[in-house]
Amino acid sequence: QQQVKQSPQSLIVQKGGISIINCAYENTAFDYFPWYQQFPGKGPALLIAIRPDVSEKKEGRFTISFNKSAKQFSLHIMDSQPGDSATYFCAASDPAGGGADGLTFGKGTHLIIQP
Amino acid sequence: DSGVTQTPKHLITATGQRVTLRCSPRSGDLSVYWYQQSLDQGLQFLIHYYNGEERAKGNILERFSAQQFPDLHSELNLSSLELGDSALYFCASSVGTSNEKLFFGSGTQLSVL
Repeated sequence: QQQVKQSPQSLIVQKGGISIINCAYENTAFDYFPWYQQFPGKGPALLIAIRPDVSEKKEGRFTISFNKSAKQFSLHIMDSQPGDSATYFCAASDPAGGGADGLTFGKGTHLIIQP
Repeated sequence: DSGVTQTPKHLITATGQRVTLRCSPRSGDLSVYWYQQSLDQGLQFLIHYYNGEERAKGNILERFSAQQFPDLHSELNLSSLELGDSALYFCASSVGTSNEKLFFGSGTQLSVL
């Protein structure tokens, strides 16, 4: 059972454009939603995260929008740059285990920013 | 550089064999999480150790086991290997017991032939 569904699988955006990646979750107990960025040959790195008590969080060119009623959240990359080309993973955490359980990840979006 | 060290970077072995993957967490981090990354399953949580003790298990097969040593490094042991075990194995560390702010290593690419 896939608890976090991520779309699209791949995305091509022109330099300067807005990249949007969407995730939907099923478990209403999830209370922490991070996004990770992974470059080829590297491990995922935390990019930005949000809790369900806010609807939006912005850090530089990266924004998470969160819709609790729809059980959806998305990553927006403004003014996308070729250096943003990477695989992006959304994830979610269930507090039931006190945070000891691993994150539940989406399957990833391969983003290519064309110059 | 995340500060998490994984060795070896690549491992090629045959079916039925046993291998050990090693992870050294960031200085000061007490938690080590192990993940398996494959094209079809994505990133799957395997197991979490905190300060030497097992804290949580995910989708870890019985053929797999892990431990965390007093110096906080961790080893993931994979035995009776099958072709389907071929994947990228990551470890991640964090300061406390929470899975927030995980720092991932660069992974070990395991190929089972």
